Amino acid sequence: EAQVTQNPRYLITVTGKKLTVTCSQNMNHEYMSWYRQDPGLGLRQIYYSMNVEVTDKGDVPEGYKVSRKEKRNFPLILESPSPNQTSLYFCASSRSPGLAGGPEQYFGPGTRLTVT
Amino acid sequence: AQRVTQPEKLLSVFKGAPVELKCNYSYSGSPELFWYVQYSRQRLQLLLRHISRESIKGFTADLNKGETSFHLKKPFAQEEDSAMYYCALISGSARQLTFGSGTQLTVLP
Repeated sequence: EAQVTQNPRYLITVTGKKLTVTCSQNMNHEYMSWYRQDPGLGLRQIYYSMNVEVTDKGDVPEGYKVSRKEKRNFPLILESPSPNQTSLYFCASSRSPGLAGGPEQYFGPGTRLTVT
Repeated sequence: AQRVTQPEKLLSVFKGAPVELKCNYSYSGSPELFWYVQYSRQRLQLLLRHISRESIKGFTADLNKGETSFHLKKPFAQEEDSAMYYCALISGSARQLTFGSGTQLTVLP
């Protein structure tokens, strides 16, 4: 089944304790992205990757890191989480966004992170 | 800079009534617009894109460049249409997807 998976689905942690949220897709997509979803703000892009070893900042990258060593994986790293990073996080993947009309983005199930 | 505005955070209609979810955008280039939907406890998924000019689940959306709008419409709402709806725009050389803040639609019985 074609899908995007994220782990963990739920995470409660304390300020300053490094964490990683994994994201994996099995559709051989070039493009992967991380978003955070906050009430009243919709989805905001954190980082994106056009292909392996190619990553770039989205709209709200502060406090986050990513890596793209393999095409299928795109982990999100919080080196020193803070309470303002409490949010619902979504990973997404798609074929190259350069395709005319814009390809569909496939979203993961979400990771609910609470930082105390 | 590109921007997508959904002025209604919450929208309630009765079953069988018409529904329109508003979306306005600002973008200097030629826009490519989408509607995504998130049903309760499900993943965000594509509903429709303007370039396809399609009708999905009875929903349609027309791009109005003069009014910079891409409103989502359905003539007869159903209870299963209750969901969060996001309007989105592709922009920039990296073709990033920018989302609006979303509209929570509730269809009442």
